[in-house]
Amino acid sequence: DTEVTQTPKHLVMGMTNKKSLKCEQHMGHRAMYWYKQKAKKPPELMFVYSYEKLSINESVPSRFSPECPNSSLLNLHLHALQPEDSALYLCASSQFQGFGWGYTFGSGTRLTVV
Amino acid sequence: QKEVEQDPGPLSVPEGAIVSLNCTYSNSAFQYFMWYRQYSRKGPELLMYTYSSGNKEDGRFTAQVDKSSKYISLFIRDSQPSDSATYLCAMSENSGGSNYKLTFGKGTLLTVNP
Repeated sequence: DTEVTQTPKHLVMGMTNKKSLKCEQHMGHRAMYWYKQKAKKPPELMFVYSYEKLSINESVPSRFSPECPNSSLLNLHLHALQPEDSALYLCASSQFQGFGWGYTFGSGTRLTVV
Repeated sequence: QKEVEQDPGPLSVPEGAIVSLNCTYSNSAFQYFMWYRQYSRKGPELLMYTYSSGNKEDGRFTAQVDKSSKYISLFIRDSQPSDSATYLCAMSENSGGSNYKLTFGKGTLLTVNP
């Protein structure tokens, strides 16, 4: 299995809703990432987990809450989002955080906040 | 000056053409150089990565790095309509210990017309 699987593929949520994005990989990778990508922009790093511990938080607002329950799973909990948070949310993984020559990305969750 | 500059295009070519995609960078600390392909509404897919100056070939794709000029290129020979996608260059630098930080270019939208 060489994939990163993200669910759901699409999500529409109101500003008062609570929802979660899920990411799963079974490649034995020990680093997992959340990226946010707006239309016609490059991906922007949000969080990095290394060996199930939060390694990097790129000053992301607290309405985004990451969680890494085990080495294969990564969640992103969403609460009280704003319309400007609408974007493609990408999960990625790599063998370890020092794997500087590339990550495996999932297909993303397209989030719309109404 | 942004760390990584990439012409966003769009670039439109006829099928069979040779395509040249380029990025320039200003950070001498970048060590790994990558090209990702991103189809519409999908996550980025790693195409190639290189470490040293020079050329690296993989089928119809050739990645070229010139560290002295801080310039990288991706060449696509015999381009096909299936190559139509956004191509993102990415570079990584050591951010401390064994950790690397990935920086993306803005991406170039390529359309190959049948």
